[in-house]
Amino acid sequence: DQQVKQNSPSLSVQEGRISILNCDYTNSMFDYFLWYKKYPAEGPTFLISISSIKDKNEDGRFTVFLNKSAKHLSLHIVPSQPGDSAVYFCAASASGGYQKVTFGTGTKLQVIP
Amino acid sequence: GAGVSQSPSNKVTEKGKDVELRCDPISGHTALYWYRQSLGQGLEFLIYFQGNSAPDKSGLPSDRFSAERTGGSVSTLTIQRTQQEDSAVYLCASSLVEGVEKLFFGSGTQLSVL
Repeated sequence: DQQVKQNSPSLSVQEGRISILNCDYTNSMFDYFLWYKKYPAEGPTFLISISSIKDKNEDGRFTVFLNKSAKHLSLHIVPSQPGDSAVYFCAASASGGYQKVTFGTGTKLQVIP
Repeated sequence: GAGVSQSPSNKVTEKGKDVELRCDPISGHTALYWYRQSLGQGLEFLIYFQGNSAPDKSGLPSDRFSAERTGGSVSTLTIQRTQQEDSAVYLCASSLVEGVEKLFFGSGTQLSVL
């Protein structure tokens, strides 16, 4: 039962353009969402998060959008840079007590110089 | 230490052998997770420790897998009678607050079962 889904395993984008990574979830109890970036041979690192009380959170070149009614979130990277090439994981959890963080399968982003 | 430390970074073992993977979380972090990533797959939850509470073992794939956390700090993941399908990167993460805080990951242990 994949509660967090990233349906695009890979994405290629030209340097300077916008990268849009998508994520869907099925568990309506999820109310906190995170994006992680992972380089080869390294552990994932936290990138940006959003609470369900918001529909947008921005941090520099990275913006996460949340559509609760559609149970969908997206990560926008603009402008994309070659150093952004990595695997991006979407993750979700529920507050109000212990709930483990559930990860999606990841999207491999390649930014072409 | 500054981050989550995992050892060994690589482990090659023969089918049927037992292995132990170690995780040193960030000092003061009360929550500790184990995940694994098989080739081409996402991050699969294995087990979660939070303070003195009973661990959430719901992700352990079989009874060959076990984990403990001593003194609320270091954790060891043990896989008995390893199988080839156990080959994966095993990732440990820690956090200050259960669930909703960001996790800090180690670099992982690449386990190869021949």
